Amino acid sequence: DVKVTQSSRYLVKRTGEKVFLECVQDMDHENMFWYRQDPGLGLRLIYFSYDVKMKEKGDIPEGYSVSREKKERFSLILESASTNQTSMYLCASSATGARSGNTIYFGEGSWLTVV
Amino acid sequence: DQQVKQNSPSLSVQEGRISILNCDYTNSMFDYFLWYKKYPAEGPTFLISISSIKDKNEDGRFTVFLNKSAKHLSLHIVPSQPGDSAVYFCAASDTNAGNMLTFGGGTRLMVKP
Repeated sequence: DVKVTQSSRYLVKRTGEKVFLECVQDMDHENMFWYRQDPGLGLRLIYFSYDVKMKEKGDIPEGYSVSREKKERFSLILESASTNQTSMYLCASSATGARSGNTIYFGEGSWLTVV
Repeated sequence: DQQVKQNSPSLSVQEGRISILNCDYTNSMFDYFLWYKKYPAEGPTFLISISSIKDKNEDGRFTVFLNKSAKHLSLHIVPSQPGDSAVYFCAASDTNAGNMLTFGGGTRLMVKP
């Protein structure tokens, strides 16, 4: 079974703090993603990565950055947290190629509250 | 501009009856469609998918129907069970444009005992 692990399930941070959300996958997937989920807005893509040290902006990259130094690990960074970044953050991974490349597997999510 | 829309934010169904969740899309290049199920405080889990070369795919109690001309897909759950209560997301991708999925806003299904 594919396992995507997000290290922090629940975090409370202060406005202006730097926040790191870590994600690790154990299936040697090439692709990794960070989404945020907000009520009524579905899942919105923040950043994704097709390979180590590669990153591409998604639909809502403002206020975020990412790091992918190793294939299995993809980190989301909030340089200066703001209250509008309070949300559930979901990491995901997928393999490249054929139909399996279009099925992505999610972690359990990280609930971030910025006060 | 949402390319994938789930127009019903919530749906309530009696246990044992059919649940029908709908999804519309606008991008004619989408050729692969998926449904994900999400319980509170958990990540979405893959449920069922369908390629644009098919108009129906069935897996146990779950069936997905695709109407390409209408750019519409639906998920049927028969019979519905209380454990099916969750948020359901449809997603679509253009397989010739990489591995990106575009998600709808989700529909919360409540199955009453």
